[in-house]
Amino acid sequence: KAGVTQTPRYLIKTRGQQVTLSCSPISGHRSVSWYQQTPGQGLQFLFEYFSETQRNKGNFPGRFSGRQFSNSRSEMNVSTLELGDSALYLCASSLAGGGKGTDTQYFGPGTRLTVL
Amino acid sequence: GNSVTQMEGPVTLSEEAFLTINCTYTATGYPSLFWYVQYPGEGLQLLLKATKADDKGSNKGFEATYRKETTSFHLEKGSVQVSDSAVYFCALAGGATNKLIFGTGTLLAVQP
Repeated sequence: KAGVTQTPRYLIKTRGQQVTLSCSPISGHRSVSWYQQTPGQGLQFLFEYFSETQRNKGNFPGRFSGRQFSNSRSEMNVSTLELGDSALYLCASSLAGGGKGTDTQYFGPGTRLTVL
Repeated sequence: GNSVTQMEGPVTLSEEAFLTINCTYTATGYPSLFWYVQYPGEGLQLLLKATKADDKGSNKGFEATYRKETTSFHLEKGSVQVSDSAVYFCALAGGATNKLIFGTGTLLAVQP
């Protein structure tokens, strides 16, 4: 079974631009979560989607948004990019996405975003 | 709120040495606990997990026991290999959510 795939793997943008990252979960997985990884802040939760609905959101400004499609694929968008948005963006999928936090999340390889 | 504290790295060991990476947590209720590993240039891979007190997760020679009395989930391996060199993250998920809260990560370097 194919793992979580993320595209593109690398992106270079300039300040003020916007960017869209894509994530395809493992087949059959209905929950997709996004995380930002930076050297200074570590791994931080952005948001979680389940059945096309945002179930949970981290403490990020409104410039960060996402969505999930009926086939469970997800995209995240960052508008008006800032230098501090440079990071590795990781997507994770899990089977059910419901309740108790016992679901295992499987991570993709990430998209490395550099903002110049 | 919920949080995870990991020992600072880097941890440098010789091949076949014993490994312990400490992890403690603060959480309400009964979270699930995880160890993830990240190799250079890659995403996170689940190493092991435990979903209730006294559970022991194990995989590839690594073990960790969910200790509610000490709110700990320390990672251990009896004999490390050079190929174990990576960054290790302790994480928890609690409540009606899959949101993972991560520790800061511990870099492990194993020398031949």
